[in-house]
Amino acid sequence: DGGITQSPKYLFRKEGQNVTLSCEQNLNHDAMYWYRQDPGQGLRLIYYSQIVNDFQKGDIAEGYSVSREKKESFPLTVTSAQKNPTAFYLCASSIEDSYTDTQYFGPGTRLTVL
Amino acid sequence: GDSVTQMEGPVTLSEEAFLTINCTYTATGYPSLFWYVQYPGEGLQLLLKATKADDKGSNKGFEATYRKETTSFHLEKGSVQVSDSAVYFCALGDKLSFGAGTTVTVRA
Repeated sequence: DGGITQSPKYLFRKEGQNVTLSCEQNLNHDAMYWYRQDPGQGLRLIYYSQIVNDFQKGDIAEGYSVSREKKESFPLTVTSAQKNPTAFYLCASSIEDSYTDTQYFGPGTRLTVL
Repeated sequence: GDSVTQMEGPVTLSEEAFLTINCTYTATGYPSLFWYVQYPGEGLQLLLKATKADDKGSNKGFEATYRKETTSFHLEKGSVQVSDSAVYFCALGDKLSFGAGTTVTVRA
């Protein structure tokens, strides 16, 4: 079965700690994305990557970092510099970063800062 | 820049009622248009898409037509079921352009 996996499903973090969210895809897609979703709001783009070893900031990149060392993996680190990290985080991928490609989403990780 | 404006919710309907969720867009190019659905606690799934003007996307009884003249992509379903309760997102074929989402609740 092809798809995107995110882990863990729920994550709790103490203030001041960094935490890394995992995203893996076996769809052989070049492009990958991280979004943040807050209650009652749409999706906001954090980072995206069009190819391995390359990534760009989205609208709300401050306090986050990513890496793309492998085509299938795009982990997101939420750093202590992120002022309000409690949210639902969604990873997605598409064949290419284009206007026509469908994005395929993972099941999400819900991060709560204690 | 490109953007999407989506009807605000929440929307509450009875089973077998007609559903419409309005979506209008602003785009400089000719992007594809999408409707995604999100069930509670899950990621988004593609519901339907249209790639050019006058295309109609359809899936699971839902339909939406890409209207260039009115810059719209309204979602419709003739007879909703309880299982259609979810959040629906209109999106431009651009990673930055999702609507805010419309929460739909269908009562038995």
